[in-house]
Amino acid sequence: GEDVEQSLFLSVREGDSSVINCTYTDSSSTYLYWYKQEPGAGLQLLTYIFSNMDMKQDQRLTVLLNKKDKHLSLRIADTQTGDSAIYFCAEKTPPGNNAGNMLTFGGGTRLMVKP
Amino acid sequence: DTGVSQDPRHKITKRGQNVTFRCDPISEHNRLYWYRQTLGQGPEFLTYFQNEAQLEKSRLLSDRFSAERPKGSFSTLEIQRTEQGDSAMYLCASSFTLYNEQFFGPGTRLTVL
Repeated sequence: GEDVEQSLFLSVREGDSSVINCTYTDSSSTYLYWYKQEPGAGLQLLTYIFSNMDMKQDQRLTVLLNKKDKHLSLRIADTQTGDSAIYFCAEKTPPGNNAGNMLTFGGGTRLMVKP
Repeated sequence: DTGVSQDPRHKITKRGQNVTFRCDPISEHNRLYWYRQTLGQGPEFLTYFQNEAQLEKSRLLSDRFSAERPKGSFSTLEIQRTEQGDSAMYLCASSFTLYNEQFFGPGTRLTVL
């Protein structure tokens, strides 16, 4: 089965870069996602990357994918206090197998940004 | 607001009672998903609809859980004879076939006393 792992906690200073890491096990994953969750709220889609890409940049966010090592990272440049939240990576399995179109999430990384 | 909406946002119930949650997806989205999130964990998939057809069900979805999407628009998730272990955030998401993003609603937090 699929398994997605993330470190639990990251603390950075305002203005620094944050790098949140994720490893996954399903080599047939087609898309990998990053979501942000603030306290008591639902999940906000930040960005996603297709599995045949190595990198995707979107404003302050850079996603790096190492498919060989099944490693995904999210870099947030110029981190702000408003970026404090829990960040989840997720993988999407391709249609046609028993897993359907569901997303499998990691346990989340809590990012704390200190002023 | 044209995002995914869920109702109620919070539900407190006593063990053994039945509860029903509603999800309204983004209007043109034909796919609808239910996930459950317990404290300190990532969301876990429960079930998935394409239009009105329920195409996938997780092993987490015991016989006490039932989900419907009668007209391919809104969906309901019912939990019968609730147990304390059902306490969690129930998240709904929707997507459109041709695109790869799943958009989540704010969730319904269930507390079973």
